[in-house]
Amino acid sequence: AQKITQTQPGMFVQEKEAVTLDCTYDTSDPSYGLFWYKQPSSGEMIFLIYQGSYDQQNATEGRYSLNFQKARKSANLVISASQLGDSAMYFCAMRGWTGGGADGLTFGKGTHLIIQP
Amino acid sequence: DTAVSQTPKYLVTQMGNDKSIKCEQNLGHDTMYWYKQDSKKFLKIMFSYNNKELIINETVPNRFSPKSPDKAHLNLHINSLELGDSAVYFCASSQSFGSYEQYFGPGTRLTVT
Repeated sequence: AQKITQTQPGMFVQEKEAVTLDCTYDTSDPSYGLFWYKQPSSGEMIFLIYQGSYDQQNATEGRYSLNFQKARKSANLVISASQLGDSAMYFCAMRGWTGGGADGLTFGKGTHLIIQP
Repeated sequence: DTAVSQTPKYLVTQMGNDKSIKCEQNLGHDTMYWYKQDSKKFLKIMFSYNNKELIINETVPNRFSPKSPDKAHLNLHINSLELGDSAVYFCASSQSFGSYEQYFGPGTRLTVT
C-alpha cells in the first residue's frame, strides 16, 4: 500500500517569495515515481513535475523543483519567485512501478496555496 | 484540440437514477483511468484500464462500471445513484500503464439530489 502525507492544508505566501510545499510518502515498492499536480480554481489538474525513485538528481521544471530526500521519504515541491497565478491547490502523488504502474496514482490531501500581492 | 475530454461538464440528477459520463482521448494512449475527487478535494483512483486489463480499486462499489467501446474512449456508468456519489470525476490517460505522465480531463461535477 502507498500513502502520501501533505501536512499543510493551507499556506499564505507573499508574491515573489519562494514556497516549499511539504510531501512525505510511504511505500514498500522499491521502484516508484513521485508527482506534483496543480489544481487552480477552474478545476483542471495540471501536471507540474516528476521524480523517479532512482533518479540521481532532483527534478526541475522552470520555477518548480522537487527536493527529493529518499532516506527521509520526502518529496517537497519548491516554487521559486511565486506569482499570483500560482494560487491553487497542489497535490503530491505517487505510483509504484514494480507492478507495472497499473494501480494509478495515490494522492495526498493537497495544500491550498494562496499568493498575496 | 483537447487531449482528454469529458462530457458532460456538469451533471445533476436524482437518487436512484442511472447515468453515464463519457471520456475521450485523442493522444493515441493505451491506458485510461477514472478518479473521484470528493467534497474535501481528496482524489482517489477508481479504475485503471487498457485494452487488455482492468484494474478496479477494491473500494469502488459495483454500481460503478467502466465501459470502453474502443481504445480512445472509457465511459463511466453509474447505477442507482446515491447522495454520496456526488463528486468531481476525472478521466485521465497515459501512453501505457508504465508511463509516468497522466493527462487529465477537465472533470465532471456530479451532483445527486
